Amino acid sequence: QVQLQESGPGLVTPSQTLSLTCTVSGGSITSGSYYWSWIRQPAGKGLEWFGRIFHSGSTNYNPSLKSRVTISIDTSQNQFSLRLTSVTAADTAVYYCVRGPGSNSGEAFDLWGQGTLVSVSS
Amino acid sequence: QSALTQPPSVSGSPGQSVTISCTGSSSDVGYYNHVSWYQQTPGTAPKLIIFEVSNRPSGVPHRFSGSKSGNTASLTISGLQTEDEADYYCCSHTSSITWVFGAGTKLTVL
Repeated sequence: QVQLQESGPGLVTPSQTLSLTCTVSGGSITSGSYYWSWIRQPAGKGLEWFGRIFHSGSTNYNPSLKSRVTISIDTSQNQFSLRLTSVTAADTAVYYCVRGPGSNSGEAFDLWGQGTLVSVSS
Repeated sequence: QSALTQPPSVSGSPGQSVTISCTGSSSDVGYYNHVSWYQQTPGTAPKLIIFEVSNRPSGVPHRFSGSKSGNTASLTISGLQTEDEADYYCCSHTSSITWVFGAGTKLTVL
């Protein structure tokens, strides 16, 4: 079955750029017309949606983060990525790559990676 | 976009029913029937339990049900079991083609 796995540095220096990659296994990132998203969760807090991307490259972003966020996709590698610029300690969180939302996933986030902890500290 | 409003905590005894509310606005919960609910236990990723207001993914027990009235969605868990103790999050599609979550509700099974 389809699985998602996040990868990237666990520690990022303040003011630098956070970059994470999600590898989709068990199926093609282009099949089923799914969207792919990034979501984060600071320790002890709720969930925040960054944005989503379609295999065509079409994106939608959370307006509160849009100025710092880029989501991209590499269909040849079956991967999609998150880039968050000018990070601060407030960006410390568990980052999840997720399938959805879209019409083929019930307008919901139906499949989640295990999450990766990213800490922002000097 | 503002987070959806959920009660911080609810509790119930095994076998009882509990309902968790999720209040938004006419621009999100009230705009589409695109409300979803997620269950999260400590140290794990959230799990989808309800989509499109009231639909259950395969494998989710029938005692989990969802509904919506106006700008408020609700998750009801009937016949509470100890394994239901978790954090629950609602989420809604908005009129701006974004998705917004509630702050989460901690369910304690007494």
